[in-house]
Amino acid sequence: DVKVTQSSRYLVKRTGEKVFLECVQDMDHENMFWYRQDPGLGLRLIYFSYDVKMKEKGDIPEGYSVSREKKERFSLILESASTNQTSMYLCASSLLGGQTNTEAFFGQGTRLTVV
Amino acid sequence: QQPVQSPQAVILREGEDAVINCSSSKALYSVHWYRQKHGEAPVFLMILLKGGEQKGHEKISASFNEKKQQSSLYLTASQLSYSGTYFCGILRGDSNYQLIWGAGTKLIIKP
Repeated sequence: DVKVTQSSRYLVKRTGEKVFLECVQDMDHENMFWYRQDPGLGLRLIYFSYDVKMKEKGDIPEGYSVSREKKERFSLILESASTNQTSMYLCASSLLGGQTNTEAFFGQGTRLTVV
Repeated sequence: QQPVQSPQAVILREGEDAVINCSSSKALYSVHWYRQKHGEAPVFLMILLKGGEQKGHEKISASFNEKKQQSSLYLTASQLSYSGTYFCGILRGDSNYQLIWGAGTKLIIKP
């Protein structure tokens, strides 16, 4: 059974803290993605990675960074958490070859609250 | 650039049919459909590629109208298990990786 696992389901952090969200996939996928999901806005891409140590900015990268040191692990970092980063964060992975014909597998999501 | 989904929400009785539309202002290359149940991860339903091909998945099928730059998801004889939020994603024209997602259509099926 294929799996994308996010380290936490719920997180509460204080404004200004550095926050790490971890994602691990066991499918040997090349592509990994971090999305942010807010009501009425759908899924918005923060960053994605198509290979180890490679990353590309998505639509809303400001205030975030990522790290991919190993193929199976993709971390999202909030350098200094702010209340407007309170959201649901979803990680996904897919095979190389782009998203034209490959499905993405999603993790369960991390609901982050910044107070 | 975000595709527009309609309706935003729909409430049905079990056994009724539903259509969810996904429209783009730009040329479509492929359309992806996912369903997300409350508190769960989005789950892949199908991908439609340029060419107008209609695909099916159980009693859920979809069409891709390249001319109209629109895809429609058809849910026939809906079951309680179909409840959830349906998202369409379209491929960004300048990228082979990035999907742009619609805001979602919430489907509620009542017994």
